[in-house]
Amino acid sequence: EPEVTQTPSHQVTQMGQEVILRCVPISNHLYFYWYRQILGQKVEFLVSFYNNEISEKSEIFDDQFSVERPDGSNFTLKIRSTKLEDSAMYFCASSLTGVAYNEQFFGPGTRLTVL
Amino acid sequence: AQTVTQSQPEMSVQEAETVTLSCTYDTSESNYYLFWYKQPPSRQMILVIRQEAYKQQNATENRFSVNFQKAAKSFSLKISDSQLGDTAMYFCAFMKSQTSGSRLTFGEGTQLTVNP
Repeated sequence: EPEVTQTPSHQVTQMGQEVILRCVPISNHLYFYWYRQILGQKVEFLVSFYNNEISEKSEIFDDQFSVERPDGSNFTLKIRSTKLEDSAMYFCASSLTGVAYNEQFFGPGTRLTVL
Repeated sequence: AQTVTQSQPEMSVQEAETVTLSCTYDTSESNYYLFWYKQPPSRQMILVIRQEAYKQQNATENRFSVNFQKAAKSFSLKISDSQLGDTAMYFCAFMKSQTSGSRLTFGEGTQLTVNP
């Protein structure tokens, strides 16, 4: 069964460094998402992406964040200058279309630790 | 803005018994969807069941069913004949009915443990 994959599973970085989190969505899906979960808090929406453009972004998704689909398979989240508060589990998801009845399929997550 | 609340951080149930997980939400939207996602230990979130707000009939998927009370903004999940594999974190989630890039708004999660 097709699934969303994410690499790495755990990333440790120093404050101020740039990190790129990678995701491979399900191949025929058209919408891609990033969510994050700070330890002990809710899973929060960051951004949705379609046709090489951001569809929607949350208040969290500021200028420090960017997303890209650099080729036909990968979907990346870049954090330009990491802060301690960026430490979280980051989940990628994809869906066939963007409408609500289409299930979002989630990856296993990347745990980002900022020291 | 929408909010989703799960007031039970942890629950446990004996194998083969029935358990109900609670979820309440707040929204001014008239059209929306509600979901329960399951996240087993060290595994990705998977969709358990979804409910369209305009449907009065409660959704069911095998041993999983919901009690959707639109006026009360309540959306509980009932798991019948609990199995050890049901042990997981369960998230309730809300989504507006819109045409593109619909975001999910999650509750805090309920850790369910099924005991043998």
